[in-house]
Amino acid sequence: QVQLKESGPGLVKPSQTLSLTCSVSGGSISTVSYYWSWIRHLPGKGLEWIGYINYNGNSYYNPSLKSRVTMSVDSSKNQFSLKLSSVTAADTAVYYCARDGGQVVPVAFDSWGHGTMVAVSA
Amino acid sequence: DIQMTQSPSTLSASVGDRVTITCRASQSIDRWLAWYQQKPGKAPKLLIYKASNLETGVPSRFSGSGSGTEFTLTISSLQPDDFATYYCQQYHTLRTFGQGTTVEIK
Repeated sequence: QVQLKESGPGLVKPSQTLSLTCSVSGGSISTVSYYWSWIRHLPGKGLEWIGYINYNGNSYYNPSLKSRVTMSVDSSKNQFSLKLSSVTAADTAVYYCARDGGQVVPVAFDSWGHGTMVAVSA
Repeated sequence: DIQMTQSPSTLSASVGDRVTITCRASQSIDRWLAWYQQKPGKAPKLLIYKASNLETGVPSRFSGSGSGTEFTLTISSLQPDDFATYYCQQYHTLRTFGQGTTVEIK
């Protein structure tokens, strides 16, 4: 059973870069069958998909966030990461990482991390 | 971009009720649709994938149907553990979530 765990600072100052890492256990991140996604839950609002990356580093981002998002993968550590630049209070959210089967293993987001709260405040 | 619209936003129901939530896509997504349940402070849980396939371990009172642009999630007999927020999500082109439907106690 694959498990995912988010880590990173819980507080980021406005205009700085939010950086989070997702550690994967119980399975390899280097599988052609899955993508690895970041999703956030904005306070009082719904879920927003941020983007995904696959094992060889190909990434796709939400068009509304694309100019500020960078994702990367570190297969040696079985981790993938998110960077969101120029943050504002509107980026305050619970951030989740998730395994994404897409249309290959068509189970959508079948495994999730517990989530990590990130607040943007001076 | 594909937009997903759920209705209703909030639903009041009693234990034992049959509950239906609708999700509409702004363009055809074939059957590339999933449904999730989320409870406060928890990660979403996958219920249904590819429109009508029940995820392993999910009770059979949950079912999904639809294709193209219109989809439904049905709970045949609402249980106390089912009071939560439900989201649809398309994975035809990138990924998009609906805005959520909260099922509350009547």
